[in-house]
Amino acid sequence: DIVMTQGVLPNPVPSGESASITCRSSKSLVYKDGKTYLNWFLQRPGQSPQLLTYWMSTRASGVSDRFSGSGSGTYFTLKISRVRAEDAGVYYCQQVREYPLTFGSGTKLEIK
Amino acid sequence: EVKLLESGGGLVQPGGSLRLSCAASGFTFTDFYMSWIRQPPGKAPEWLGVIRNKANGYTTEYNPSVKGRFTISRDNTQNILYLQMNTLRAEDTAIYYCARGRWDFDYWGQGVMVTVSS
Repeated sequence: DIVMTQGVLPNPVPSGESASITCRSSKSLVYKDGKTYLNWFLQRPGQSPQLLTYWMSTRASGVSDRFSGSGSGTYFTLKISRVRAEDAGVYYCQQVREYPLTFGSGTKLEIK
Repeated sequence: EVKLLESGGGLVQPGGSLRLSCAASGFTFTDFYMSWIRQPPGKAPEWLGVIRNKANGYTTEYNPSVKGRFTISRDNTQNILYLQMNTLRAEDTAIYYCARGRWDFDYWGQGVMVTVSS
């Protein structure tokens, strides 16, 4: 199975500042079509996970352009610009390159 | 509006069985892959398996952690996704979600709690 390892944030992050969340995969997530099969989700307390980006850097419908995904084949970053209170929660990366699909352990973002 | 609504959760004894349902609406159900994902309290989500769309023959893939115990199926006339869970263990205790999509899980249900305990 592909193992997804997420970094830790130095919480809390002051409102208006930027935050970068990291994720590493044990195998390249680049498929033969050239796309990188990596998703980012935000889970707010008591809610279902919400898709933020897919194919590493494509924002999901309705997601703010304050969220941007980037990376290489095995190292990924989700940058959140000008953080707001509503951005608080746990962020998960997920690889969808091969079955079984796997998630990272999550990175908690707290806002000050 | 896309909606996914899970049901069928509850308390079950170890070794027991349970079938979860996910009622889908607001989209052409047969066009989409559908997955089951679970999340133990305070832990990360775990993908359980997928059932492909009509174009891909409604075939299935499972996480080895549940393969042989869990079965995913779909009723394409009523737009319902199912998860049959057998030989349940305490470690199967979690919130169970259905989610739409092949790569981009763009819609999730609200989840249903399953507790395995004597």
